[in-house]
Amino acid sequence: LAKTTQPISMDSYEGQEVNITCSHNNIATNDYITWYQQFPSQGPRFIIQGYKTKVTNEVASLFIPADRKSSTLSLPRVSLSDTAVYYCLVGDEDSSYKLIFGSGTRLLVRP
Amino acid sequence: NAGVTQTPKFRVLKTGQSMTLLCAQDMNHEYMYWYRQDPGMGLRLIHYSVGEGTTAKGEVPDGYNVSRLKKQNFLLGLESAAPSQTSVYFCASSYSPSWEQYFGPGTRLTVT
Repeated sequence: LAKTTQPISMDSYEGQEVNITCSHNNIATNDYITWYQQFPSQGPRFIIQGYKTKVTNEVASLFIPADRKSSTLSLPRVSLSDTAVYYCLVGDEDSSYKLIFGSGTRLLVRP
Repeated sequence: NAGVTQTPKFRVLKTGQSMTLLCAQDMNHEYMYWYRQDPGMGLRLIHYSVGEGTTAKGEVPDGYNVSRLKKQNFLLGLESAAPSQTSVYFCASSYSPSWEQYFGPGTRLTVT
């Protein structure tokens, strides 16, 4: 499974756009990129998943450059409730049983 | 539709005691997973199941056993608890081997 590297923490203010970048230099051809969100004392929650270019859903966008060695989770106009830990994971369907969560990125949104 | 539920929410054990954590899902998912999360760390996969009657080892299986006698339930057992097993345990399920797993609320276990 490809190893991922994310910033340990990020600070932002309400209403700003937040971009969290994940590095995955050893991503394989069949690997997908997936992001989860975790609030304190809760289990992780799926946010978004992509393979290439750009994916957008109701809560976030995922930008993946052509070489796929990195990806950026974009949260538009964050609010205090977006304060959480965000995890980037990489793998294919066959390895999805073995989700490997790193330490994630702790996002703090300030008023 | 309750999703994924876990029982109990909290538990304190003495070293050497045993216990079973219960995970239940009502989404008819084939795949179920048990993770542990230590303070400030990401989740680590303990065991998983790809269907009723099947189980397999994950990243950190030592000291734990599991059973999947019914499709909707996945049990995690600790036969002889150790302080190193103090952690928060999360159960998850998914319909297929994709990345969207649905997590339960967690069980906070302390072993003294």
